[in-house]
Amino acid sequence: DGGITQSPKYLFRKEGQNVTLSCEQNLNHDAMYWYRQDPGQGLRLIYYSQIVNDFQKGDIAEGYSVSREKKESFPLTVTSAQKNPTAFYLCASSIANEQFFGPGTRLTVL
Amino acid sequence: KQEVTQIPAALSVPEGENLVLNCSFTDSAIYNLQWFRQDPGKGLTSLLLIQSSQREQTSGRLNASLDKSSGRSTLYIAASQPGDSATYLCAETDSWGKLQFGAGTQVVVTP
Repeated sequence: DGGITQSPKYLFRKEGQNVTLSCEQNLNHDAMYWYRQDPGQGLRLIYYSQIVNDFQKGDIAEGYSVSREKKESFPLTVTSAQKNPTAFYLCASSIANEQFFGPGTRLTVL
Repeated sequence: KQEVTQIPAALSVPEGENLVLNCSFTDSAIYNLQWFRQDPGKGLTSLLLIQSSQREQTSGRLNASLDKSSGRSTLYIAASQPGDSATYLCAETDSWGKLQFGAGTQVVVTP
């Protein structure tokens, strides 16, 4: 089956810890994206990558970091510098400017 | 900064009634517009994609229109069913492939 997988589904973090969210796709898409969703709000872009070994900051990149060493993978690290990391995180990939989404990871800071 | 607005934020209709969901955008250079469905705690499912050169797209009971001159898109869902209950989001794509999302319309279809 082709698609986008995100893991874990739920993640709990203590304050001051860095955590990494996984995103993998087997759709052979070049572009990948990370979004954050807060209750009652639309999605906001954190980082995006149009090609391997290259990525760009989105609207809310502060406190986050990414890497794109392989076409299939685009992991997101939430660092201790992110002041309010509790949210639902969605990964997407795109072809011909149509985006397809993974199932999401819900991160909670304890 | 481009903005996308969805009104109303929530909508409740009886089963069988047609649904009309509105999306307005400020980007006159829109590349395309995409409608998504999101069930609680889940990711987004793409429903329809309208290219900037198109006026509408149809898939089954769903029809989406695009009017660039007025900065509006409308999603019509015919003969609504309880299974249509979800949050519907629209997003406009710029020429770099970046999406700008609306906050969504939460729809409840009552049996």
